[in-house]
Amino acid sequence: AQSVTQLDSHVSVSEGTPVLLRCNYSSSYSPSLFWYVQHPNKGLQLLLKYTSAATLVKGINGFEAEFKKSETSFHLTKPSAHMSDAAEYFCVVSPSPDQAGTALIFGKGTTLSVSS
Amino acid sequence: DAGVTQSPTHLIKTRGQQVTLRCSPISGHKSVSWYQQVLGQGPQFIFQYYEKEERGRGNFPDRFSARQFPNYSSELNVNALLLGDSALYLCASSGGPSSFYGYTFGSGTRLTVV
Repeated sequence: AQSVTQLDSHVSVSEGTPVLLRCNYSSSYSPSLFWYVQHPNKGLQLLLKYTSAATLVKGINGFEAEFKKSETSFHLTKPSAHMSDAAEYFCVVSPSPDQAGTALIFGKGTTLSVSS
Repeated sequence: DAGVTQSPTHLIKTRGQQVTLRCSPISGHKSVSWYQQVLGQGPQFIFQYYEKEERGRGNFPDRFSARQFPNYSSELNVNALLLGDSALYLCASSGGPSSFYGYTFGSGTRLTVV
């Protein structure tokens, strides 16, 4: 079975400092992994995805994530936080590409707060 | 190009009533999935439809049903509403039947049951 664990429920940073949001996954297949962002009272926006190509994935708004199979991790980073990055972030796993009707499995989310 | 559109954006219903939520996928996308997001939690899978057939169902009671139309738009129906059905309902579309390459989500319908 697939699962996702976001290791921090809340992360606080100052504007201009690095961001690290941690995610570990469990999967019996070679999964695809995603990070989605949700701003208050909004839907979900895809930040980046890993689908078994390059292990370092670059996304929108300066975010990137590295897939580490040996550590079963997919941490999200950004070199310099901006006030507009304050939002809820979800790490998401999907199982094998050959299965129709499969669901995205979401972590519980990490709230990122950015102070000036 | 229009993204995934959902209607209505907000609605308030009374316990025991029925509700219908609507979703139009991105043009050319044949798969629509529905997720429920309760406040403070990650979204939970309800249904997936691909080519007008149900391809997946999450752990939700039979009060929840859905369908997909020939133009690939979809409706989610919830009968006998409970207070616990209050949530943000998200629709997502993709080109194929698998979630492996990710989905594009709509902005959601905020359902409040009183």
